[in-house]
Amino acid sequence: RKEVEQDPGPFNVPEGATVAFNCTYSNSASQSFFWYRQDCRKEPKLLMSVYSSGNEDGRFTAQLNRASQYISLLIRDSKLSDSATYLCVSGTASKLTFGTGTRLQVTL
Amino acid sequence: DADVTQTPRNRITKTGKRIMLECSQTKGHDRMYWYRQDPGLGLRLIYYSFDVKDINKGEISDGYSVSRQAQAKFSLSLESAIPNQTALYFCATSDPDRGKDNEQFFGPGTRLTVL
Repeated sequence: RKEVEQDPGPFNVPEGATVAFNCTYSNSASQSFFWYRQDCRKEPKLLMSVYSSGNEDGRFTAQLNRASQYISLLIRDSKLSDSATYLCVSGTASKLTFGTGTRLQVTL
Repeated sequence: DADVTQTPRNRITKTGKRIMLECSQTKGHDRMYWYRQDPGLGLRLIYYSFDVKDINKGEISDGYSVSRQAQAKFSLSLESAIPNQTALYFCATSDPDRGKDNEQFFGPGTRLTVL
């Protein structure tokens, strides 16, 4: 079993749609949680940290459920520019573990 | 200017050749990491370093070695390259003491092809 599991997609959604990604992590010692965005052939870039209280950054909302070891990302009012692969990440103090990513394609 | 740089950006080499990938950072971070990314497998940690002269193996260190001679530089070597080391290689940095969380910042990547 992978330490961080995500649905690989692709998710094909029209512009303006709301889309949700989920992932699960297996290491109960994980203390840090993130969503990264990766464009094709580019480096991963931090999208947002994820906290148990939930956090929002514009159209993006992230949620963490420690009891279920489950992380989510909600994107509202999708834009064409949101098309990318979204990496779910969990980590301890010494290292991060990345999921294989969920691909999002936003279309006109 | 980029905070984390990698050289070369692309490299094609032959089986058996020794290859060195370089990573430099101007972020002043203590921690540096090397990952490889393969389709369907995601990012996998090769080696990491928490300070100069500190070296730790990641999940796939066989066939690789690293050197951390200065805070700003972390190099990855393939002693004798083989075709299944063809991948996209990323360097990353972090500094939990400075950042709010333990987030990592990535370089632009090196695309390595071993023929």
